[in-house]
Amino acid sequence: NAGVTQTPKFRVLKTGQSMTLLCAQDMNHEYMYWYRQDPGMGLRLIHYSVGEGTTAKGEVPDGYNVSRLKKQNFLLGLESAAPSQTSVYFCASSYTAGQGMNTEAFFGQGTRLTVV
Amino acid sequence: GEDVEQSLFLSVREGDSSVINCTYTDSSSTYLYWYKQEPGAGLQLLTYIFSNMDMKQDQRLTVLLNKKDKHLSLRIADTQTGDSAIYFCAESITNAGKSTFGDGTTLTVKP
Repeated sequence: NAGVTQTPKFRVLKTGQSMTLLCAQDMNHEYMYWYRQDPGMGLRLIHYSVGEGTTAKGEVPDGYNVSRLKKQNFLLGLESAAPSQTSVYFCASSYTAGQGMNTEAFFGQGTRLTVV
Repeated sequence: GEDVEQSLFLSVREGDSSVINCTYTDSSSTYLYWYKQEPGAGLQLLTYIFSNMDMKQDQRLTVLLNKKDKHLSLRIADTQTGDSAIYFCAESITNAGKSTFGDGTTLTVKP
């Protein structure tokens, strides 16, 4: 059981390049999330999804797009990378809200992205 | 909007107790969590507490919630070097993923 898997683990981009980060979960979770973590800061929510085919904006959505075409996958895209998007990106998933302890979020190992 | 604050650093000696504190602003918070992040890894849920509880104990971990003051604490008894990590406090209204996180407390355990 892999849990939440993110690919790639590391990437260096030039300013203006585009890329897609992939998140896959095998726990049949409805909810999936993309966070970014910057040095000395907590996680900030970029976008999230409450089910297949749905997406919603989080706290810091500008410069990112997402898609949830399949329940198990949540893609995060950067159309034109900027140095300010240098960060560690974490994907997470959880059960549907309102299930008590089952609201625990499971996190991937992170993707370290550097934009030069 | 919601805000969660934690002190940034805590240093203790092995065998001592560690207490990590957190304050939050959203009185609607239903779920309050403590996550642990080891170097180069993702976050791992340590424990959680519902807002209708004031204490929860789980082996070496004790969570105290003062809902009136919106204050949450995590006590680690008999702290070990393996407890060295960053600890994040988080709160949410409906489910754990869409949470507001604090900036994290770096716990250093000295032998």
